[in-house]
Amino acid sequence: EAGVTQSPTHLIKTRGQHATLRCSPISGHTSVYWYQQALGLGLQFLLWYDEGEERNRGNFPPRFSGRQFPNYSSELNVNALELEDSALYLCASSSGQFSGNTIYFGEGSWLTVV
Amino acid sequence: AQTVTQSQPEMSVQEAETVTLSCTYDTSENNYYLFWYKQPPSRQMILVIRQEAYKQQNATENRFSVNFQKAAKSFSLKISDSQLGDTAMYFCAFMKLGSGNTGKLIFGQGTTLQVKP
Repeated sequence: EAGVTQSPTHLIKTRGQHATLRCSPISGHTSVYWYQQALGLGLQFLLWYDEGEERNRGNFPPRFSGRQFPNYSSELNVNALELEDSALYLCASSSGQFSGNTIYFGEGSWLTVV
Repeated sequence: AQTVTQSQPEMSVQEAETVTLSCTYDTSENNYYLFWYKQPPSRQMILVIRQEAYKQQNATENRFSVNFQKAAKSFSLKISDSQLGDTAMYFCAFMKLGSGNTGKLIFGQGTTLQVKP
């Protein structure tokens, strides 16, 4: 069974540009989560999508957004890129909204802003 | 707000020996989960073990066990018979119970563990 898959593995963008990262959850999982792992800031919760709707978001500006498609895959969009957006973006998934369900992570997408 | 603290940035252990990683957390909640995740060089976060706060019994998964002290807000991870494949960064994480908190893990800063041959 395939795990959580993310693309691209690496992405280099220029400050002010837009970036899109993609995530496919484990088959059967309806919840998708995005985390940012930036140097010096650690892992921070970004967004949670379930059944196509945004359920919760972390303390990030509105230029971080995303969506979830009918097949439960998700994309994270970052507008007006800033240098400090350079980080590893981790996607995770779980089955359903129950907070006790195990969360499985992908290998991440490296975003470098120059 | 909840915080998670890992006071050991780096640790090392000889292969086959036992090592304990420390984690403390701060919360006013009574119902929550605690986790240890492992992040090897591949960067994929792998769940090692989890503990429900309402359970008094410490969780165990093969060579991995925790010492959960709810009153002290302490959650340490013990790795027995350390193996080279255990080399990774280990993160302690907290999550409140409740549907609105699903997936909102609060992570500590991480402890880099090196297992030496």
